[in-house]
Amino acid sequence: EPEVTQTPSHQVTQMGQEVILRCVPISNHLYFYWYRQILGQKVEFLVSFYNNEISEKSEIFDDQFSVERPDGSNFTLKIRSTKLEDSAMYFCASSQYSGANVLTFGAGSRLTVL
Amino acid sequence: GESVGLHLPTLSVQEGDNSIINCAYSNSASDYFIWYKQESGKGPQFIIDIRSNMDKRQGQRVTVLLNKTVKHLSLQIAATQPGDSAVYFCAETILTGGGNKLTFGTGTQLKVEL
Repeated sequence: EPEVTQTPSHQVTQMGQEVILRCVPISNHLYFYWYRQILGQKVEFLVSFYNNEISEKSEIFDDQFSVERPDGSNFTLKIRSTKLEDSAMYFCASSQYSGANVLTFGAGSRLTVL
Repeated sequence: GESVGLHLPTLSVQEGDNSIINCAYSNSASDYFIWYKQESGKGPQFIIDIRSNMDKRQGQRVTVLLNKTVKHLSLQIAATQPGDSAVYFCAETILTGGGNKLTFGTGTQLKVEL
């Protein structure tokens, strides 16, 4: 069964450092997403991406965040200068279509900011 | 603001019993709802979905009920098995807005006792 893969599974970084989280969506999917989950809290929407541009973003997704699809397979989330409160599990997801369809989530990348 | 929330944080059931997990939503504009299962160390996994023009939808051992009058969603799991132990999230979205941004509830931990 096709799956969304994410790397690294866990990253520890110092506050103020840049972090790049990588995702390989399912190959025939066209819509890509990042969500995050702070420990013990809800899964929160960060950003959706389609046709090489952001289609929607939340208030969490400020100027410190950026996304990129550098090639035909990878989808990355960059945090420019990490803060303690960025510590969370970051989930990448992809879907074939927009609207009423199934988002397939990756296993997540745990980011710990010290 | 608009939110999706769950009534119970933890639900313990005996193996073989039926489980009912509840969710309250407050955004009356939401027209598509999804239940996700999240096992430890994994990303959310799609279980079942329902559109707002339906009251009930059945899958394999799972049933989702939607009561729009009281803005309530429930997930019923028949003959609960140890493998059903996980955190269950409801999520909502608005299809006319593209349906890409999911708003998740807090989550309910389901524990299946042998």
